[in-house]
Amino acid sequence: GAGVSQSPSNKVTEKGKDVELRCDPISGHTALYWYRQSLGQGLEFLIYFQGNSAPDKSGLPSDRFSAERTGGSVSTLTIQRTQQEDSAVYLCASSFRGQGNTGELFFGEGSRLTVL
Amino acid sequence: SQQGEEDPQALSIQEGENATMNCSYKTSINNLQWYRQNSGRGLVHLILIRSNEREKHSGRLRVTLDTSKKSSSLLITASRAADTASYFCAISYDMRFGAGTRLTVKP
Repeated sequence: GAGVSQSPSNKVTEKGKDVELRCDPISGHTALYWYRQSLGQGLEFLIYFQGNSAPDKSGLPSDRFSAERTGGSVSTLTIQRTQQEDSAVYLCASSFRGQGNTGELFFGEGSRLTVL
Repeated sequence: SQQGEEDPQALSIQEGENATMNCSYKTSINNLQWYRQNSGRGLVHLILIRSNEREKHSGRLRVTLDTSKKSSSLLITASRAADTASYFCAISYDMRFGAGTRLTVKP
């Protein structure tokens, strides 16, 4: 597709279950970001991938959160043993980043996670 | 890491009026970007201003950048009800976002 694709768009799970959220970035984009947004709040940075470099994981809130990006393209955000406070919209964005400059971010529509 | 901080947190105006929101940051930048978010879903890029630029226009949008004050402003002229949204700034490289400005334009 032409844009950033995220799946699932909505996920309802029970407390303690693991969930996986997927992001398909725009082809050729070297940078990929994950953010979390709780209701009525701003965007909380989670993790950033740039090419083959080690990801910036400084925003992950706990060791229950992890993410990987395979082949420099698709990314999966995994939340283990989900808690109710994990309920939020998880947003993915990609960008072409060159020479130390970050260009325009293209966002997916997000995955809304509800933990019961 | 660094992020922009938007001000005010909320702004309510009448249709046809101008809306101004501000972004402050603390370190040097390569560029600063403004985004809009409707209905809590994906953000849409509005405009990018580079560190060597002072002003940029796009349609009804005007962005200024003052690197000496480490601040930027976004002006929306002749606002419309459809401009109702949250507006965020982000600083390159890290692309951290602040809490945003919630703009309400009343018809």
